[in-house]
Amino acid sequence: AQKVTQAQTEISVVEKEDVTLDCVYETRDTTYYLFWYKQPPSGELVFLIRRNSFDEQNEISGRYSWNFQKSTSSFNFTITASQVVDSAVYFCALSEAFYGGATNKLIFGTGTLLAVQP
Amino acid sequence: DTAVSQTPKYLVTQMGNDKSIKCEQNLGHDTMYWYKQDSKKFLKIMFSYNNKELIINETVPNRFSPKSPDKAHLNLHINSLELGDSAVYFCASSQEKAGRGETQYFGPGTRLLVL
Repeated sequence: AQKVTQAQTEISVVEKEDVTLDCVYETRDTTYYLFWYKQPPSGELVFLIRRNSFDEQNEISGRYSWNFQKSTSSFNFTITASQVVDSAVYFCALSEAFYGGATNKLIFGTGTLLAVQP
Repeated sequence: DTAVSQTPKYLVTQMGNDKSIKCEQNLGHDTMYWYKQDSKKFLKIMFSYNNKELIINETVPNRFSPKSPDKAHLNLHINSLELGDSAVYFCASSQEKAGRGETQYFGPGTRLLVL
């Protein structure tokens, strides 16, 4: 069965520190997709990144970077020089496609609450 | 120019009532979803529709009935509300292409509280 594990329930850092959020997944599929979403205190779910299983290149977007390693089934997220506005719950998710690709469903991890203190 | 919108944003009601949540997307997507986020923040899919056809129906009580009048709308009707239905309900949409796990874009959520 597909599963996503975010072992870190809560992380607290001081502004400007770097922080890494861990994500480990399980799947039998050879083709799959991984996502990160951010849920700030206001409650909406904000898409951050999508990565397919064939692309193991690391990705950087400003202060955000992602490290995808198939060998360890991990898709970790690093925030460099954290800011108070980064305080949120971060979800890692795995996509399970079916019905001839007409839909897919996201299997979410339990989320990591990141608190950035000023 | 909201991409995925939901109404209402907050819903407070008594046990036993029937309520509906509406969702609309203006992204031109053909697939829409309902997810439930419980009090521990756990997110789980409930339903998905592709071109108005029900595709995914997870183990959800049949008091929950989704309806998709067209590709841009997916509503959720809940009968005989129970305390355990209190949660945040998120609508999402994506443009699926042959199982490529396209990005799902979420609405702002509807916070349902059953008293």
